[in-house]
Formats: sequence, structure tokens, C-alpha cells
Amino acid sequence: EAQVTQNPRYLITVTGKKLTVTCSQNMNHEYMSWYRQDPGLGLRQIYYSMNVEVTDKGDVPEGYKVSRKEKRNFPLILESPSPNQTSLYFCASRETGADSPLHFGNGTRLTVT
Amino acid sequence: DQQVKQNSPSLSVQEGRISILNCDYTNSMFDYFLWYKKYPAEGPTFLISISSIKDKNEDGRFTVFLNKSAKHLSLHIVPSQPGDSAVYFCAASNFNKFYFGSGTKLNVKP
Repeated sequence: EAQVTQNPRYLITVTGKKLTVTCSQNMNHEYMSWYRQDPGLGLRQIYYSMNVEVTDKGDVPEGYKVSRKEKRNFPLILESPSPNQTSLYFCASRETGADSPLHFGNGTRLTVT
Repeated sequence: DQQVKQNSPSLSVQEGRISILNCDYTNSMFDYFLWYKKYPAEGPTFLISISSIKDKNEDGRFTVFLNKSAKHLSLHIVPSQPGDSAVYFCAASNFNKFYFGSGTKLNVKP
């Protein structure tokens, strides 16, 4: 089954403790991206990647890092999480080229205390 | 400042009637527009899209209309079904960046 898999689904951590949220897709998509969803703000793009070793900032990249060492994986790294990063995070991938929709994972709910 | 806006947080419609969800955007460089449906505890699911060179795209019960001069996008669902009850997000894209509205919660009453 074609899918985007995120782990963990739920994560509670404390301020300053580094964490990684993993994302993997089995559709051989070159494009992958991360979003956060907050009430009243919809989904906002954090980072995206056009291909292996190619990443770029989205709308809200501050406080986040990403890496793209393999085509299928695109982890989101919070080096020093803060309470304002408490949010629902989604990873997505899509085929390269115009007019290709994003396919989303099921989300990771992160709470930073 | 949000480049894509959904001004109606919620919409309630009777089963069998038409649901019309609206979306406005500010950036005339957007070249691709999408609608997503989201159930609780799941990721957004792609519903329908439209390229900026078109003004209408239809897929079964779902039709998306694009009015570029007004920078307005709408999704029509006909007929509406209780299973359509969900949060709907519109999105716009340019140069591989995606911008989403804040969502409209649709409730279809049996």
C-alpha cells in the first residue's frame, strides 16, 4: 500500500530535549515536506526537499532542521524544543512535476512542556 | 499574513443538498490549487485540484471552480452525504511551496 509513515504518533517532551520525528514514504517520490497545523492557522510549511541532499525552507523553518540522506526518508529534527513548538505535525510527499498533489502521513502530535 | 484564507470556520448542510466551500488567496503567482479533506486523527486526504490555466475541474460529486480575477476558489459537493462531514482545507502552490487555509468544518445532517 502506498503510504507516508510518521513516527511517533504522539510525543510528550520537555523544553530543550532534542527529538526527531521520522517520516518515510514508499512511493519513490522525490519531493517531501513537513507541515505544522495550529488552530486558526491551517497547515504551514516548515521545510521541503526536492531530492536527496536538497532541502529548502518553507514558511516557518525557525527551530527546526531536516535532512534528506535517502530518497524515502525525511526526518524532522528539533534540536532544542520549546513550548511554542507544541503542535500537530504532518509529513507529505508527492511526485515531481507540476500538478501533483501532496500525500500526507497521519500526523505526530507533539507536546513540549 | 496568510496568503490563503477560508473565512467560514464551519458550514452545516442537509443531506442531499449542495455544499459550497470557499477560499480566497492573495498571491497571483499561485499556479496550482487543491482541496483536502481531513478526518480527526488522520492526515489530510487529497480530494481534487485545479491548474491556474483552468476555471473548472469536476470529479464525481466534487467540482472545483477557480476565479483568477477575484482570486477565489470554491468547492461544490453535490449531493452532500453524511460521510462528507469533515474539515476541508484549500491549498495553493507556487515554486514547490504550499500554502493552506485554516479549514472549514463541514457538517452534513442526515
